[in-house]
Amino acid sequence: GPKVLQIPSHQIIDMGQMVTLNCDPVSNHLYFYWYKQILGQQMEFLVNFYNGKVMEKSKLFKDQFSVERPDGSYFTLKIQPTALEDSAVYFCASSPLGGGNTLYFGAGTRLSVL
Amino acid sequence: QQKVQQSPESLTVSEGAMASLNCTFSDRSSDNFRWYRQHSGKGLEVLVSIFSDGEKEEGSFTAHLNRASLHVFLHIREPQPSDSALYLCAVNTGGLSGKLTFGEGTQVTVIS
Repeated sequence: GPKVLQIPSHQIIDMGQMVTLNCDPVSNHLYFYWYKQILGQQMEFLVNFYNGKVMEKSKLFKDQFSVERPDGSYFTLKIQPTALEDSAVYFCASSPLGGGNTLYFGAGTRLSVL
Repeated sequence: QQKVQQSPESLTVSEGAMASLNCTFSDRSSDNFRWYRQHSGKGLEVLVSIFSDGEKEEGSFTAHLNRASLHVFLHIREPQPSDSALYLCAVNTGGLSGKLTFGEGTQVTVIS
């Protein structure tokens, strides 16, 4: 099926540093998403993005978080500055049109904040 | 707020025997439901999507939705050891935005 690629697969950084997680969504998809999964817990919605704008964000999407997709390149999640509680696996997803369409997920980026 | 719960937490089945997983949700107005699975260290693979009450079959996977009882089931027919994975129920709670709420998953182990 369609593939969403996430780079890197694992990132280790010191608390307070900035980190950017990269996602290469399916080429003709229009909706993009980030989900967060803390070890042993459910995957939780962070944010979705369409037409260059954030459509909806959850309470987990702190002020230190931002997303963008400049000129159709990677869809990125930036965290600046990072905190210990940001350690989690971050999953990127994309879908053709949102709504009833299937979301296709990447393999995740494991972020470890020390 | 939508709540999605899955049972059992883990399930061991013999190769070839039927496996049945349960997912309950709290918002009866939810409009579509998906089952995904995740092999260790891999991304999520969509198995079956269902939009209306009744059954939907995709290969060896059958989803059964009953909105009145707030349940969506997944049946795995003749599972193989390669079907050992974490199975996740996802409910669309975001309307047009496609936002999904996930359950905690059922870890399925298929033994030969």
